[in-house]
Amino acid sequence: SQQGEEDPQALSIQEGENATMNCSYKTSINNLQWYRQNSGRGLVHLILIRSNEREKHSGRLRVTLDTSKKSSSLLITASRAADTASYFCATNNYGGSQGNLIFGKGTKLSVKP
Amino acid sequence: DAGVIQSPRHEVTEMGQEVTLRCKPISGHNSLFWYRQTMMRGLELLIYFNNNVPIDDSGMPEDRFSAKMPNASFSTLKIQPSEPRDSAVYFCASSFSPGETQYFGPGTRLLVL
Repeated sequence: SQQGEEDPQALSIQEGENATMNCSYKTSINNLQWYRQNSGRGLVHLILIRSNEREKHSGRLRVTLDTSKKSSSLLITASRAADTASYFCATNNYGGSQGNLIFGKGTKLSVKP
Repeated sequence: DAGVIQSPRHEVTEMGQEVTLRCKPISGHNSLFWYRQTMMRGLELLIYFNNNVPIDDSGMPEDRFSAKMPNASFSTLKIQPSEPRDSAVYFCASSFSPGETQYFGPGTRLLVL
């Protein structure tokens, strides 16, 4: 079953602009993770944010988490053509089978040079 | 470390044939996951193992699918008999512990004719 739902489904921007992708989820989580997938490749982990954290940075990436709204956002600053990829959020849910992640359907980002 | 290794990278087979996909997780990782990705359904978790034991196989579509993990460094996903609707990219991923960062292999692109 789908947990994370990304928004928008597709985003097209110019190089140098910022890109913001959002993720909403339904149940309580232990952590939320963002992954990137280049066309034809496996997913690559970007950032993990735990339920007691509100914001995390990694290079040009900034992730926020609002557990009261059950939502997260991924901001990519000063985007580059190489950032063109699909971006997925995934939640590790509290309770139940706690080891797995549930992935959303992703946001397809296109950065035009 | 070489990362998660999957074989074969591509498989084309005819309906009714047996297909075996293989995965070698990252050394030291205790959790292993099999996913299937299609345009229509996105990324679906099929099964995950922790310490070589299947923990959650609720995503396995039907009895035609089976997965094994005979030791910490090897897992197989078998489809017998295969059907055209099984055509997808199958990913294996591993993590150091359940619910944490997952490292994905390059995937096996399966086409069942």
